Amino acid sequence: ETGVTQTPRHLVMGMTNKKSLKCEQHLGHNAMYWYKQSAKKPLELMFVYNFKEQTENNSVPSRFSPECPNSSHLFLHLHTLQPEDSALYLCASSKDFQENEKLFFGSGTQLSVL
Amino acid sequence: AQKITQTQPGMFVQEKEAVTLDCTYDTSDPSYGLFWYKQPSSGEMIFLIYQGSYDQQNATEGRYSLNFQKARKSANLVISASQLGDSAMYFCAMRPKGYSTLTFGKGTMLLVSP
Repeated sequence: ETGVTQTPRHLVMGMTNKKSLKCEQHLGHNAMYWYKQSAKKPLELMFVYNFKEQTENNSVPSRFSPECPNSSHLFLHLHTLQPEDSALYLCASSKDFQENEKLFFGSGTQLSVL
Repeated sequence: AQKITQTQPGMFVQEKEAVTLDCTYDTSDPSYGLFWYKQPSSGEMIFLIYQGSYDQQNATEGRYSLNFQKARKSANLVISASQLGDSAMYFCAMRPKGYSTLTFGKGTMLLVSP
């Protein structure tokens, strides 16, 4: 139990569907992150939130829309995705942005876009 | 820009032996943190060990130790007495001071055989 819970664990969607990924952390952290992990590539940062405010958008296409209603919850809304968006989407949280603060990760959502 | 290089796509080790996973990094920031994470097939990223750039001693956490050579910009992970459960992907990551997130390497797949 890492304190970061992601749902669903697996998701299959068509290119015209709309779906949402959910992340919840029970660690009292202030920062939350979305990462994308594709096969044979390093983890790619997508979005960063600090105290519910988005602090970083790593040039992510608009078909990915994040939402952070409070410091404990983070969503990633998906619409009109492409097959190349198939990947493992990892949510993480940290106490703050100090260089010694580790990220706590969820188990991820394995997304397949058909 | 930060860069993490892990040159070993895969490593094999026998149970109970020690193994070293290589990591080199590139940054112009004088203050930074280095992290190692383990990712088993379940997908969750598990924090293993942390080394600060100004730490005088190499970090150790149980069977994990970090061979930190600042002048060479290397931060190799040493796993002693390998166990079958150590089979996983291992990622090296870095966060300079003032940055909101971690930059990850491509990872090394470790397979431990009986």
